Amino acid sequence: AQRVTQPEKLLSVFKGAPVELKCNYSYSGSPELFWYVQYSRQRLQLLLRHISRESIKGFTADLNKGETSFHLKKPFAQEEDSAMYYCALSVYNNNDMRFGAGTRLTVKP
Amino acid sequence: DTGVSQNPRHKITKRGQNVTFRCDPISEHNRLYWYRQTLGQGPEFLTYFQNEAQLEKSRLLSDRFSAERPKGSFSTLEIQRTEQGDSAMYLCASSRAGLGDNTEAFFGQGTRLTVV
Repeated sequence: AQRVTQPEKLLSVFKGAPVELKCNYSYSGSPELFWYVQYSRQRLQLLLRHISRESIKGFTADLNKGETSFHLKKPFAQEEDSAMYYCALSVYNNNDMRFGAGTRLTVKP
Repeated sequence: DTGVSQNPRHKITKRGQNVTFRCDPISEHNRLYWYRQTLGQGPEFLTYFQNEAQLEKSRLLSDRFSAERPKGSFSTLEIQRTEQGDSAMYLCASSRAGLGDNTEAFFGQGTRLTVV
């Protein structure tokens, strides 16, 4: 069964500090992994997907199949990064996208 | 706003009443999804449509829930005989292709249902 675990419900860092939001998944095949973000009073939106290998707003995420992880990282957090972050997993040819419970990131000035 | 639109934004209803929510997806998207999100949890998949065909339903979707997308454009989600446990945020999303094809899902603002 597909499952996504985000072990931290809350994460607080100071502006300029590095941040890492953890995501672990369970799936026996080849997963497609995403990070979605929800800023205050805004809708859920895609931040990045693993296949793109891109950096968005300074965030990167590397798929580690050995550790079944897809942690989201940013070297220098900004106050505008404060939001709810969800890790999500989908499977090829399957429309059931599974989300983690989310991590609320707060970046303090 | 050309994004996914959901109405109403908030709904308060008495237990036992029926409620219906509407979702208007992005016009060129042929896939439409319904999710439910409760406090402290991520969105949980309920069902999805490809055009007007409902292709998949989650076990979460009891027989009190029904979804339609009659013309392959907007969709409705109806809950009959609401229960307090139905209180949640109901999210709609749309995409051009299947989510398993690394496709981005575009979400609406959601409808927050409170059953009293």
